[in-house]
Amino acid sequence: DQQVKQNSPSLSVQEGRISILNCDYTNSMFDYFLWYKKYPAEGPTFLISISSIKDKNEDGRFTVFLNKSAKHLSLHIVPSQPGDSAVYFCAASAKETSGSRLTFGEGTQLTVNP
Amino acid sequence: KAGVTQTPRYLIKTRGQQVTLSCSPISGHRSVSWYQQTPGQGLQFLFEYFSETQRNKGNFPGRFSGRQFSNSRSEMNVSTLELGDSALYLCASSLEGRTSNEQFFGPGTRLTVL
Repeated sequence: DQQVKQNSPSLSVQEGRISILNCDYTNSMFDYFLWYKKYPAEGPTFLISISSIKDKNEDGRFTVFLNKSAKHLSLHIVPSQPGDSAVYFCAASAKETSGSRLTFGEGTQLTVNP
Repeated sequence: KAGVTQTPRYLIKTRGQQVTLSCSPISGHRSVSWYQQTPGQGLQFLFEYFSETQRNKGNFPGRFSGRQFSNSRSEMNVSTLELGDSALYLCASSLEGRTSNEQFFGPGTRLTVL
């Protein structure tokens, strides 16, 4: 039972344009959502997070949007840069599971072309 | 500050053997979580240790076990290896494993079971 799904295994965009990565979840107990970026041969690194009490969080070029009624979140990267090429994982947690347990999606490979 | 380190980085074993992987968290971090990453499956939560106690467990068979030492270093063990155990095993550390604590991942141990 995949509680967090990233339906697009890959996404290709041109440098300078917007990248939009999507994520859907099914567990209504999830109340904290995160995006991680992973380069080959490295562990995932934290990008940005959002609590369920918000619908938007912004950090520089990265913005995460949360639509609780649709159980959907998205990561916008503007403008996209070649260095953003990596696998992006969406993750979720439920406070009652004591916080550190993250449920991840399958990942989306983003390629930003120069 | 040194990041999360994992040893060994690569490991080849045969079916039926057992393996022990090691994770040293960031200094001062007390929570260590383990994840298994396989192609197309994203990261699957194995377990979390905090103050030498297993605080959270994922849906993996009992062949997967772990422990944490007083210095917060953690080991995970897989007994009676199966071909399907071939994966990247990642550990992540955080201050106290709270939802809002950022988790820092190590580079992973690539396990191949022949």
